Amino acid sequence: EIVLTQSPATLSLSPGEGATLSCRASQSVATYLAWYQQKPGQAPRLLIYDASNRPAGVPPRFRGSGSATDFTLTITTVAPEDFAVYYCQHRHSRPYTFGPGTKLEI
Amino acid sequence: EVRLLESGGQVVQPWDSPRLSCAASGFTFTNFLMNWVRLTPGKGLEWVSGISASGTTTYYSDSVKGRFTMSRDNSKSTVSLQMTDLRAEDTAVYYCARGLDNNKWGIFDYWGQGALVTVSS
Repeated sequence: EIVLTQSPATLSLSPGEGATLSCRASQSVATYLAWYQQKPGQAPRLLIYDASNRPAGVPPRFRGSGSATDFTLTITTVAPEDFAVYYCQHRHSRPYTFGPGTKLEI
Repeated sequence: EVRLLESGGQVVQPWDSPRLSCAASGFTFTNFLMNWVRLTPGKGLEWVSGISASGTTTYYSDSVKGRFTMSRDNSKSTVSLQMTDLRAEDTAVYYCARGLDNNKWGIFDYWGQGALVTVSS
């Protein structure tokens, strides 16, 4: 099973600042990595898939990059509605696993 | 608008066999694979199972293999998760999640609001 670790566990920022979230895989997952956002009481929301692809409707301030074992989610300018928990997840092989999450707080 | 609505969440005992259901609407159900993903306080998000658009192929995590069965009814646009031999660690919010299409396994582009299953003896 591929283990994903995320850093930092908590990121404290103010609206308008930039955010950099990291995800590291225990072995290469090529570019088969996704990022999700989850707010309290809500379902997760897909932000990025296959490392750098944004689904329709996701704002361009969310950018994904990386390959193999090291990946980054960048929020170029954090908006008030972006404060949430962010998870990475791979689909390189089953079981598909998630990271423990990074909490982006004000 | 894509909508996924889970039902069947409840407090159960280890010897019960609850069945979760997910009703899908707002898209052509037969074009998409479907999944169950759960959220637990201890382990976070965990993929549980997935099923192809036709229903002929299913995959499970090792933690539920042999105990849970995923199925779909394309005539009713529903997926189900039959749960047996429950354990305390199966306590979780269970989300129904759509695959991005029928080819890209492991991408979950729409999620339901979740159904809470609590296993307690």
